[in-house]
Amino acid sequence: GENVEQHPSTLSVQEGDSAVIKCTYSDSASNYFPWYKQELGKGPQLIIDIRSNVGEKKDQRIAVTLNKTAKHFSLHITETQPEDSAVYFCAASMGGGYQKVTFGTGTKLQVIP
Amino acid sequence: NAGVMQNPRHLVRRRGQEARLRCSPMKGHSHVYWYRQLPEEGLKFMVYLQKENIIDESGMPKERFSAEFPKEGPSILRIQQVVRGDSAAYFCASSAGTSQNYGYTFGSGTRLTVV
Repeated sequence: GENVEQHPSTLSVQEGDSAVIKCTYSDSASNYFPWYKQELGKGPQLIIDIRSNVGEKKDQRIAVTLNKTAKHFSLHITETQPEDSAVYFCAASMGGGYQKVTFGTGTKLQVIP
Repeated sequence: NAGVMQNPRHLVRRRGQEARLRCSPMKGHSHVYWYRQLPEEGLKFMVYLQKENIIDESGMPKERFSAEFPKEGPSILRIQQVVRGDSAAYFCASSAGTSQNYGYTFGSGTRLTVV
């Protein structure tokens, strides 16, 4: 089955700096890559996703990149704010007729004011 | 739109008791997924259900765990004879369909503590 690795496990940045989280996946059939943000005591929320026919996608301060050849994808958060502090999960799925999503182990991001 | 509703939010059970976790999907969603999150770990897939059918239970332990999604009412994840290792947060997600045009929406989870 699919295996998703995520780094780093913890990340501290100064407010205003950028944060980058990297993930790799094992199954070349995976073609959908969502990112989730989980705040303390809450369920994960989808913040951005990318499909394998796209190399990069941006939504305000958040961007994701995908390198299908190397089987890795990254989340970039620019101009970080304290409210960005949370645990971020990358994920991969093969889509098609069945959408089972495999998650990475998470990155705890702390934005220091 | 109330989103995905899970209850209870917190559940404490003694070893050997049964735990029943409920999940009501978003209105219009007929696909339900259960995930387990151990402390400081990621989300591990357990089971995927559509109304009245289990589609994929490859992530669910063979013993003591069962899930259902009846025609009427919420999806239920049942853990019989709980042990300390079952302590975790259990999240339910729902979607409107199986293609990648339908993203997951997660509930707030049930935190199970086995004492």
